[in-house]
Amino acid sequence: ILNVEQSPQSLHVQEGDSTNFTCSFPSSNFYALHWYRWETAKSPEALFVMTLNGDEKKKGRISATLNTNEGYSYLYIKGSQPEDSATYLCALYSGNTPLVFGKGTRLSVIA
Amino acid sequence: EPEVTQTPSHQVTQMGQEVILRCVPISNHLYFYWYRQILGQKVEFLVSFYNNEISEKSEIFDDQFSVERPDGSNFTLKIRSTKLEDSAMYFCASSGLLSGANVLTFGAGSRLTVL
Repeated sequence: ILNVEQSPQSLHVQEGDSTNFTCSFPSSNFYALHWYRWETAKSPEALFVMTLNGDEKKKGRISATLNTNEGYSYLYIKGSQPEDSATYLCALYSGNTPLVFGKGTRLSVIA
Repeated sequence: EPEVTQTPSHQVTQMGQEVILRCVPISNHLYFYWYRQILGQKVEFLVSFYNNEISEKSEIFDDQFSVERPDGSNFTLKIRSTKLEDSAMYFCASSGLLSGANVLTFGAGSRLTVL
């Protein structure tokens, strides 16, 4: 059974602070890693899909890196804003299996 | 922007009752999924559906569960006889391609509470 772990489970930061959190996954049979942002009462929204070791992707103030050799991905948020408050989910695709999700990191940005 | 819509947003039911959760995936998508999240736990895969049949299902998706695409637009999840442990947020998702590099577009979820 594939196990995707995310840490920390929850995080409180002040507006303007930069922050990052981790997604760890088994490095064998890696195909792709997805990051989603899930705001309360809304649909989980795709942020990134990463497929290559060393990939770095950026969307505004949010960026992500990928290390498939050691099995981790970092998500960074620069200058956090209250609207960044959400649960950030990562999900692993290992080929011929459905996406396996982590438990998520719940981010609260305090104004 | 196209979106996946789910109804109802919240349903409360008595144990043993049948529940149908409805989803309208994005119109040109070919792959459809149901996931669920029990409060405080991980998002779990239930079932995937392609070409009018189930392509994969998890251990959770037992005989009490079924899916249907009755009219080419709706994609429904039926729970025949609900149990307390079926209480969860149920998410429908669709994608245009099977590749893991292709993102899923999720609905906002249907919260099921079984009393």
